[in-house]
Amino acid sequence: KAGVTQTPRYLIKTRGQQVTLSCSPISGHRSVSWYQQTPGQGLQFLFEYFSETQRNKGNFPGRFSGRQFSNSRSEMNVSTLELGDSALYLCASSSSGQFTDTQYFGPGTRLTVL
Amino acid sequence: EDQVTQSPEALRLQEGESSSLNCSYTVSGLRGLFWYRQDPGKGPEFLFTLYSAGEEKEKERLKATLTKKESFLHITAPKPEDSATYLCAVQAHFGNEKLTFGTGTRLTIIP
Repeated sequence: KAGVTQTPRYLIKTRGQQVTLSCSPISGHRSVSWYQQTPGQGLQFLFEYFSETQRNKGNFPGRFSGRQFSNSRSEMNVSTLELGDSALYLCASSSSGQFTDTQYFGPGTRLTVL
Repeated sequence: EDQVTQSPEALRLQEGESSSLNCSYTVSGLRGLFWYRQDPGKGPEFLFTLYSAGEEKEKERLKATLTKKESFLHITAPKPEDSATYLCAVQAHFGNEKLTFGTGTRLTIIP
């Protein structure tokens, strides 16, 4: 079974630009969560989508948004990029989302903001 | 607010030298505690899920245990390939899939 895939793997943007990251979950998984990982803060939860609906949201500004499609693929968007948005963005998928379920992570997208 | 604290921040061991990593947590109703391993430049790799106090799980040289306030990851006779950052995370009953992570323990095994 193929794992979680994320594209692109690396991205360089400048301040003020916007960026869209993509995540394809494991086949059959309906829940997709996004996390930001930085050396200072570790992994921080951004949001979670299940059946195209955002179920949970972390403490990030409105510049960070996401969506999920009917095939469970998800995208996250960051508008008006700031230097502090440089991070590894990870997505994770899990199956039913109803019970305690293991989340499997993708390799991440490394975003650098100049 | 859910919190996870891992210690030590970094640990260097000789090959074959056993030790334990600690994960202390506070959560409003534990649904599950997760251990992940992360290699540089890669996403976290799932190791274990623990659901209730007293539970133990093993995989090769790793053994995870859980109490009501903390979890331990015991590593027995480690090898250099066990070098990685080990992350602990908790999931609360009413947070859907949200995981709250600790900052990890960076483990280095010296040949």
